[in-house]
Amino acid sequence: NAGVMQNPRHLVRRRGQEARLRCSPMKGHSHVYWYRQLPEEGLKFMVYLQKENIIDESGMPKERFSAEFPKEGPSILRIQQVVRGDSAAYFCASSPGDRGLIFGPGTRLTVL
Amino acid sequence: QKEVEQDPGPLSVPEGAIVSLNCTYSNSAFQYFMWYRQYSRKGPELLMYTYSSGNKEDGRFTAQVDKSSKYISLFIRDSQPSDSATYLCAALNTGFQKLVFGTGTRLLVSP
Repeated sequence: NAGVMQNPRHLVRRRGQEARLRCSPMKGHSHVYWYRQLPEEGLKFMVYLQKENIIDESGMPKERFSAEFPKEGPSILRIQQVVRGDSAAYFCASSPGDRGLIFGPGTRLTVL
Repeated sequence: QKEVEQDPGPLSVPEGAIVSLNCTYSNSAFQYFMWYRQYSRKGPELLMYTYSSGNKEDGRFTAQVDKSSKYISLFIRDSQPSDSATYLCAALNTGFQKLVFGTGTRLLVSP
């Protein structure tokens, strides 16, 4: 079992560009979570998805951020028109539904 | 008030010491409690998972939950330099929705 996969591991974007982060959950896991971690801060919840459904997006900024988990393929976190404040580590986690979350290695986004 | 509070540290101890890491929480709906370890520039790794109050032991690690005082603890016996990392406590409500994290405590174990 390869665990939770995230790519790319590092992403550099200029202000105004789009960032697209991908996450493949562990085999058999149907729940995907996205978290953001700023330097020296804890993990902040962004969104919780199941296949083709957004269950809880209460942590997502209202503008420029969107997430999906299609029937086929990885979950995608999309950030449009990135700004410097979006620079952070973005972690995806998956769960079979009744255990602790298993996290991926993260994508480190740097906005120039 | 944050839902899960944790002292950021750093906490410095000599090798072999017993380490005590603690968190408090405010939401009575939390039923599941976890400890994660995160090495620098890596993803969080699940260490311990407990349900409701009580103790759970796994090797050198013991997790303790006291729901009456809303207090979560992680004890590390015979600490090793390889234990140097940031330890994050987290809590989850019964609806299995979002996991709420503390800010993490940085632990440094010196040889």
